[in-house]
Amino acid sequence: GQQVMQIPQYQHVQEGEDFTTYCNSSTTLSNIQWYKQRPGGHPVFLIQLVKSGEVKKQKRLTFQFGEAKKNSSLHITATQTTDVGTYFCHSGGSNYKLTFGKGTLLTVNP
Amino acid sequence: ETGVTQSPTHLIKTRGQQVTLRCSSQSGHNTVSWYQQALGQGPQFIFQYYREEENGRGNFPPRFSGLQFPNYSSELNVNALELDDSALYLCASSLMSHRDNTEAFFGQGTRLTVV
Repeated sequence: GQQVMQIPQYQHVQEGEDFTTYCNSSTTLSNIQWYKQRPGGHPVFLIQLVKSGEVKKQKRLTFQFGEAKKNSSLHITATQTTDVGTYFCHSGGSNYKLTFGKGTLLTVNP
Repeated sequence: ETGVTQSPTHLIKTRGQQVTLRCSSQSGHNTVSWYQQALGQGPQFIFQYYREEENGRGNFPPRFSGLQFPNYSSELNVNALELDDSALYLCASSLMSHRDNTEAFFGQGTRLTVV
């Protein structure tokens, strides 16, 4: 079955530092989505990447989709305390078994 | 607010009982996916319904079953509850386009505790 591995599992940063989480798949993905889940909340959609090598930005967040469409990354520049939460990548592969990574829990020290 | 509502928000059941969880999807969406999220883990895909038919299933036993109605709302049924079924159950609504999944909007979830 489709496997999506996400690293690191945890990341603690000082406010103002950068943060990156990586998502790697054993199979080629048709698209990849990123979600953020605040503690006690539900996943909230951030972005979807579809094209090979695609890069998208949302303010301080930069999302990349690898050339082979097997990996992706989310980079946050100059983290803020509002960035705290778990970031999940989510693959919608052609076999329709939608797979979330285990997520990266980001904590930010003010 | 995503427009996706789940009920109930919390539920306590006894081992061996049956439970039905409900989800109303966002207006205009035709697909509902269900996930189980244990504490500290990522959501695990249970199954997806597209136009009232099951469109994919994760590694869950047959005692997990579902329905999608003509208005695209959905139910998740779990029979013979086990202690390990205690988790947050999330419903996600999306619009299936060209046999591919678009962004999903999640409900607040139902917190199920099996005792």
